[in-house]
Parts: sequence; structure tokens; C-alpha cells
Amino acid sequence: QKEVEQDPGPLSVPEGAIVSLNCTYSNSAFQYFMWYRQYSRKGPELLMYTYSSGNKEDGRFTAQVDKSSKYISLFIRDSQPSDSATYLCAMSAYFKGAQKLVFGQGTRLTINP
Amino acid sequence: KAGVTQTPRYLIKTRGQQVTLSCSPISGHRSVSWYQQTPGQGLQFLFEYFSETQRNKGNFPGRFSGRQFSNSRSEMNVSTLELGDSALYLCASSTGEGNEQFFGPGTRLTVL
Repeated sequence: QKEVEQDPGPLSVPEGAIVSLNCTYSNSAFQYFMWYRQYSRKGPELLMYTYSSGNKEDGRFTAQVDKSSKYISLFIRDSQPSDSATYLCAMSAYFKGAQKLVFGQGTRLTINP
Repeated sequence: KAGVTQTPRYLIKTRGQQVTLSCSPISGHRSVSWYQQTPGQGLQFLFEYFSETQRNKGNFPGRFSGRQFSNSRSEMNVSTLELGDSALYLCASSTGEGNEQFFGPGTRLTVL
């Protein structure tokens, strides 16, 4: 079993729809949770960064963390074609004095005009 | 502020050869991490260097090695290349004291 599970998709939705992307994890030591966006032929770009359980909002993006269920989500409101990308969840914990960062498989998202 | 740069951007090698990839982190960042990204396995952690010392290591064979220089620039070396080493190699820089990592554009390595 992978430490972080993420449905690879692909996911295709019409422009303006609300998108929900999810990850589950098994290691309760994970304390920091991130979402990255990766456009084709580019490196991942940090989108959201959260620490505690609850919601964090940034414009059209909302990151949600539920540590009790070991479940994180990213919501995209009023989705735009420019949001078409692969979204990777990532989580980290300190292990033997160093940060251990583990990524999900990534979900490929397409927003159709 | 300049971002993370990686050179070369594309590389084609044949089996058995070796390759060296380079990464220049964001100015002031002391940590550089390397990842391998493939369609099947996703992003997999190779190793992290902080102040010229390897601080963390993933589960890759010894053919994969790295180093970091005093200016925080890092190189990654893969010896005796195999077909399965074809991937996008990403480096990420951070201050080393937090959790936010900033990625470079990657080097796409193709092994024939």
C-alpha cells in the first residue's frame, strides 16, 4: 500500500464547474500538506500549503485537511481552461531529523471550454 | 528573484553511459532535493542535500548519486544507464528549514 493515494484520473469537467481533487494517506506522522500544479513540460508549482486540519482558501482554490480521516482535498471553484494541468498532493513529516516529502500520483485535470 | 534552473533541459543517452545533471537553487536556499518523475511511478524522491551534506535518501540504487557545492548548486549523476532510467528529473530548492519546495523545470532524460 502506498503512503499517499491519489486517483490519477483523468478528470474532465466543463468550464465553470467546481472541481474536487482528493488524496488519502496512511502515515499519521504527516503534518504538512501541499498541493502542486504541474503544467505539461513544466516542473510542479506550489499551489497551496496547509498545516492543521480545516480549510484554507486562496482565491478560487480551497484546501481542506481532515487529519482524523487522513484525507485531504483541493476544491477549484469557477474552473477555467487555464486550470487544466496535473495536480499533485504532497505531504511531509520529519524523519530522523530530515523532512520526508511524499507525493501522490497526480490527477490529470482537463477543463473544457 | 530567479527561480530554480536545471541544465540541460533535454538529454538523450544510450544504455551503459553515464549522465550528470545540474541544478541551481533559488538564491539563499541551502537545500536541494532531487526527484524522478515517470508516468507509472509518479514523483519519487532520490535524495536531499543541505549545506553540502546528503541529509536524506530515497530507495534508489547506488548508480544514482549526487553532490552539492559550497554555492548550493547541486549535481546528480547516474552511471550505467538503463532503459528504465528514462524520466523527467526534477530538482527542488528550499531554505531547508521549512516544508515549501520550489521546483525547477526538470531535465528530460531519454535512454535508448
